Amino acid sequence: AQSVSQHNHHVILSEAASLELGCNYSYGGTVNLFWYVQYPGQHLQLLLKYFSGDPLVKGIKGFEAEFIKSKFSFNLRKPSVQWSDTAEYFCAVNAQGGYQKVTFGIGTKLQVIP
Amino acid sequence: DAGVIQSPRHEVTEMGQEVTLRCKPISGHNSLFWYRQTMMRGLELLIYFNNNVPIDDSGMPEDRFSAKMPNASFSTLKIQPSEPRDSAVYFCASSGNRGDTGELFFGEGSRLTVL
Repeated sequence: AQSVSQHNHHVILSEAASLELGCNYSYGGTVNLFWYVQYPGQHLQLLLKYFSGDPLVKGIKGFEAEFIKSKFSFNLRKPSVQWSDTAEYFCAVNAQGGYQKVTFGIGTKLQVIP
Repeated sequence: DAGVIQSPRHEVTEMGQEVTLRCKPISGHNSLFWYRQTMMRGLELLIYFNNNVPIDDSGMPEDRFSAKMPNASFSTLKIQPSEPRDSAVYFCASSGNRGDTGELFFGEGSRLTVL
């Protein structure tokens, strides 16, 4: 069975600080990897995804993530956060070719202080 | 294009009452998921359907919970009888064909409060 581990449950940053959120997954086969974002009071939206090719993936709003297969990691980064990035971030994984079961991490709450 | 539509957006009920949550997936999507979100446990997968067939219901907490998908455009999640610990936000999500990368499209959620 697949599982996802997010290391930081609550992160507080000042505006313009750099962000890195850790994500590790557990699965023996080939996977698709995702980061979703949930702004306060809203539903989850896709931030970026990886399924093949360049392991450095760029998403919306200046976010990027790097897939490191040897470390089973898919960390999310942003060089300079803004107050509007305050949200909860979820890492997720599903097995390629499978029945689309997507497993989510516990989530990381990011608070950006102006 | 309409996204995933859930109803009701908010439900407040008393313990012991039956609760029915509804979901209309994106047209053409053939996978549908029900998730529950709480502060303590985060986002939990309850059940998912592929082509209207339940594939994995191992996340359904207990027999009080049931889900159906009578056709490709409608699904329900029912709790009977409801208990205060069922209070949570319930999200429905859908995704495309099996060969897809598995990106999920979420509805706005149904916030359930059981008193």
